[in-house]
Amino acid sequence: DQQVKQNSPSLSVQEGRISILNCDYTNSMFDYFLWYKKYPAEGPTFLISISSIKDKNEDGRFTVFLNKSAKHLSLHIVPSQPGDSAVYFCAALGYGGSQGNLIFGKGTKLSVKP
Amino acid sequence: NAGVTQTPKFQVLKTGQSMTLQCAQDMNHNSMYWYRQDPGMGLRLIYYSASEGTTDKGEVPNGYNVSRLNKREFSLRLESAAPSQTSVYFCASRDRVTYEQYFGPGTRLTVT
Repeated sequence: DQQVKQNSPSLSVQEGRISILNCDYTNSMFDYFLWYKKYPAEGPTFLISISSIKDKNEDGRFTVFLNKSAKHLSLHIVPSQPGDSAVYFCAALGYGGSQGNLIFGKGTKLSVKP
Repeated sequence: NAGVTQTPKFQVLKTGQSMTLQCAQDMNHNSMYWYRQDPGMGLRLIYYSASEGTTDKGEVPNGYNVSRLNKREFSLRLESAAPSQTSVYFCASRDRVTYEQYFGPGTRLTVT
């Protein structure tokens, strides 16, 4: 059963507009989340993270929002640029025996059109 | 500072052949991981090593073995490759403080 879900396999956005990528999780024990970006033929690279003690974390054009009651997080990219076109993975940090392991969603492919 | 390196970049195997994927990191990280990525499936954990001398199964360990050779190196072995193991394999290591995992460039494996 999928614990981290990215229900939109793809998203297309015009350059300069906002991109919003969504992620839902099922396990209320998760308390730390990360977003990774992946270009074709490269490994994923860390983008931004958020702890459950916060509801927002910002880094330049990237902001992650966390709604614990809804078990939902979202990544906002403003303004979107063509170089942001990539696959974005949401991940939750495991706990207990698998502490330190990441549980990934299936990814959302973002296309930013010039 | 190379980060996480993986060899080879590409490999084609016939069913039943064996091979070892190599991974090394130069960031002095304790934890290392092997993932596979398949279309529409995201990244799935095969095996991990929380520290030198320990290894544990992840979500999809069947058909694989691992060796944590030293703190830097973590290898993944396919003893008898199957077409279902056609995938892109990523190695990663983890920063103890920030929980970020740093990924290598991947190995694209095709089993015919």
